[in-house]
Amino acid sequence: DIQMTQSPSAMSASVGDRVTITCRASQGISNYLAWFQQKPGKVPKRLIYASSSLQSGVPSRFSGSGSGTEFTLTISSLQPEDFATYYCLQHNSYPFTFGGGTKVEIK
Amino acid sequence: EVQLVESGGGLVQPGGSLRLSCAASGFTFSSYWMSWVRQAPGKGLEWVANIKQDGSEKYYVDSVKGRFTISRDNAKNSLYLQMNSLRAEDTAVYYCARDPGIDPWGQGTLVTVSS
Repeated sequence: DIQMTQSPSAMSASVGDRVTITCRASQGISNYLAWFQQKPGKVPKRLIYASSSLQSGVPSRFSGSGSGTEFTLTISSLQPEDFATYYCLQHNSYPFTFGGGTKVEIK
Repeated sequence: EVQLVESGGGLVQPGGSLRLSCAASGFTFSSYWMSWVRQAPGKGLEWVANIKQDGSEKYYVDSVKGRFTISRDNAKNSLYLQMNSLRAEDTAVYYCARDPGIDPWGQGTLVTVSS
């Protein structure tokens, strides 16, 4: 199985900060990587697909990059509504696997 | 508008069975792979299984192989998850979602395995 190691597992940041979250795959997954945001009690929402494509309706402050084994999600200027938990997902090979999550909290 | 609506969750004893359903609308259901994803209380996301458009291919996470069966009825635009030999560790919210890339998601249905 492909392991997705997400870091950090938690972080504190302020409104306006640039935030970067990393996912490392235990083997190459091409660009079959998606990023999700989940707020407490809510359904996960996809932000990024195919490593770097922005989901329709998602603000442009979110961006994704990477290919192969290392991927990043960047929030260019953190907004109050961005405090949430973020997950990466690889869907290159079975079983699909999620990263452990990154909880972004208010500093 | 794409909609996925799960049903069938509830409280079941260890060793029991439950069948989840997911009703799809707003897209051509028969054209897409479909997945089930779960989230245990306070925990992260776990992909459970998926199924090809015509049902000819199915894949599972190891922890549910031999106990869970994914199926679909394209005439009814419905996805199913038959869960047998349930364990406490299967307690979770179960979401259905469209592939590829697990989007969109339904609102989820809670399965609680407890005596």
